[in-house]
Amino acid sequence: DAKTTQPNSMESNEEEPVHLPCNHSTISGTDYIHWYRQLPSQGPEYVIHGLTSNVNNRMASLAIAEDRKSSTLILHRATLRDAAVYYCIEARGYQKVTFGTGTKLQVIP
Amino acid sequence: KAGVTQTPRYLIKTRGQQVTLSCSPISGHRSVSWYQQTPGQGLQFLFEYFSETQRNKGNFPGRFSGRQFSNSRSEMNVSTLELGDSALYLCASSLEQGRQPQHFGDGTRLSIL
Repeated sequence: DAKTTQPNSMESNEEEPVHLPCNHSTISGTDYIHWYRQLPSQGPEYVIHGLTSNVNNRMASLAIAEDRKSSTLILHRATLRDAAVYYCIEARGYQKVTFGTGTKLQVIP
Repeated sequence: KAGVTQTPRYLIKTRGQQVTLSCSPISGHRSVSWYQQTPGQGLQFLFEYFSETQRNKGNFPGRFSGRQFSNSRSEMNVSTLELGDSALYLCASSLEQGRQPQHFGDGTRLSIL
């Protein structure tokens, strides 16, 4: 099964950019990289996904390394509402996804 | 556009009972996946359904089963409940089976006494 590696926790000051890293040591050529986040008492929320190129949407940016062994989720200006657990996963055609323990992001006012 | 709806939100059962949880996916989504989330094990994949067929299964005992109906709604059933089955059960839907983003419901909190 695909397995990603993320730091257990990170801190950021409010209104500062945040770079959340993820290692994809078992990624294969056709796996998409997805990021989700989970706020307390809610189900995970889709954030962004990509294959090889960097991606932007209204929530965040995703930077993917050239060898695809790592990715970085970028929140351009952290707000208190961004405090959550962030998960990166490798999405395969058969959707047997594995969520790791994620990164708990704390945003300091 | 309505999101993924899971019912009930909370459920209390006793050991040995069985339980059925329901999931209504986003309209037009044909793939439904189920996950178990516990503080100790995190988010674990249970199974995935597409076009009424189970396409993938995680490492859970046969007490955990599911099904999908022709309108893509899905149910999961747990029989002979054990204390360790206490968890948040999450359902996620996506347009097609594959690498598309999943959209999660807020889960059913199951407590076993």
